[in-house]
Parts: sequence; C-alpha cells; structure tokens
Amino acid sequence: AQKITQTQPGMFVQEKEAVTLDCTYDTSDQSYGLFWYKQPSSGEMIFLIYQGSYDEQNATEGRYSLNFQKARKSANLVISASQLGDSAMYFCAMREKEDSSYKLIFGSGTRLLVRP
Amino acid sequence: SAVISQKPSRDICQRGTSLTIQCQVDSQVTMMFWYRQQPGQSLTLIATANQGSEATYESGFVIDKFPISRPNLTFSTLTVSNMSPEDSSIYLCSVDQGAFNYGYTFGSGTRLTVV
Repeated sequence: AQKITQTQPGMFVQEKEAVTLDCTYDTSDQSYGLFWYKQPSSGEMIFLIYQGSYDEQNATEGRYSLNFQKARKSANLVISASQLGDSAMYFCAMREKEDSSYKLIFGSGTRLLVRP
Repeated sequence: SAVISQKPSRDICQRGTSLTIQCQVDSQVTMMFWYRQQPGQSLTLIATANQGSEATYESGFVIDKFPISRPNLTFSTLTVSNMSPEDSSIYLCSVDQGAFNYGYTFGSGTRLTVV
C-alpha cells in the first residue's frame, strides 16, 4: 500500500507568489518523521524541512514551512515568495521503523515550475 | 551535517557487465541506504547496509543482482551486476545522521546508462 501520496504530478506558480505542495501519509506508528526534499535537474537531493510526529508546532525553515495536520495525516509544504530557482522536483518522505532499522520512504514527487 | 562522496558520478556501460558504486562518508554512521531512481520516477529503497552485518534488501531487490559491501562505518559499495538497459537509473546512497532536523544526507548520485 502506498504510504506517501503526492497527488500533484506538476504545479505552476508565478514568481514571488506562495505555493502549497500536498503530501498525505499512512502509518500506524505513533512516532514518525516527515521530510521534504528538493531535487533540481542536477539530480542532487536537498533536504528542506523536517516535522516530527510529536512536534506541536509546524516546522519552518526560511521560506519553507510545513503545514502539519496530524489527524488528517497530511504534511503539506508551503513555499513562500517563490523564486525561479525553486523550479525542481519536490519529494515528501516518511521515516518509518521496520524491524530494528529506520528507513526513508518517498512519495512520487511533484514537479514545480516557477514562471517569471 | 555529514558529507558523502559518491563515485562515479556517471557511467555508460555495456549490457552484461557490472558496475561498482562507492560512497565515502566524512564521519562514522551506523546505517547507510542505497536507492534507485528510474527515469522520471521517485526514489526506491534498494537495501539498508549496517556495518558488520549482511545488507537488508527490499522486496524486488536481490543480493545476486545488487551486492553491497559495508567494510567500515564510513564506506559502502553497491554493485549493479549483469546489467541490462532496464538498470539505467540514478543510484544514490544516503546516511541517517541520527539528528532528524538535519535530514538524511544523500550522495550526489551515479547516473548509469546501460547500452
């Protein structure tokens, strides 16, 4: 079963506007972590932001914020004041425990294009 | 945060041959992870490598095809064996730094094309 769902294959946003990238997740664990990564065309994976399941406040990192709604099992990424350099693939991921190890499971990604 | 050096950055290989990808971390880490990213797709976990024990493979991945070595706490290799064009992908290694606010760090990736 899909554990991380990103329903937006592609998104457009006008430069300087805000955009929300959706992510829903499925887990029966009480303790888990949610991550967002950016992958530009160069292929590197850039860590953006982290939200722990017990964190009461939404995570923020500069222009990135995470809209965490635990009851809905959603962890949407909000990018404020979009810049041309924000054009990239964005992946939502969840850290889950299996047996004695933790691993990171990724959603299918959203391709964001920022228009000038 | 940890820094990972991944080599090679890209390669073009003949079908039927093997390629070994190396990841060197600048600090000691317990767990290392290997991912495959097929063209236009997301990252799929191949296996988890823990130093001193056999790697744990995800469903759909087998040791004969993707043997992994983890000789110490800073180094790991992934071999893609008996390659076919379907193995053309980006392969990435990753480490868990233990502090979640740093995220999982990734190597720069190996772009493999099998012809």
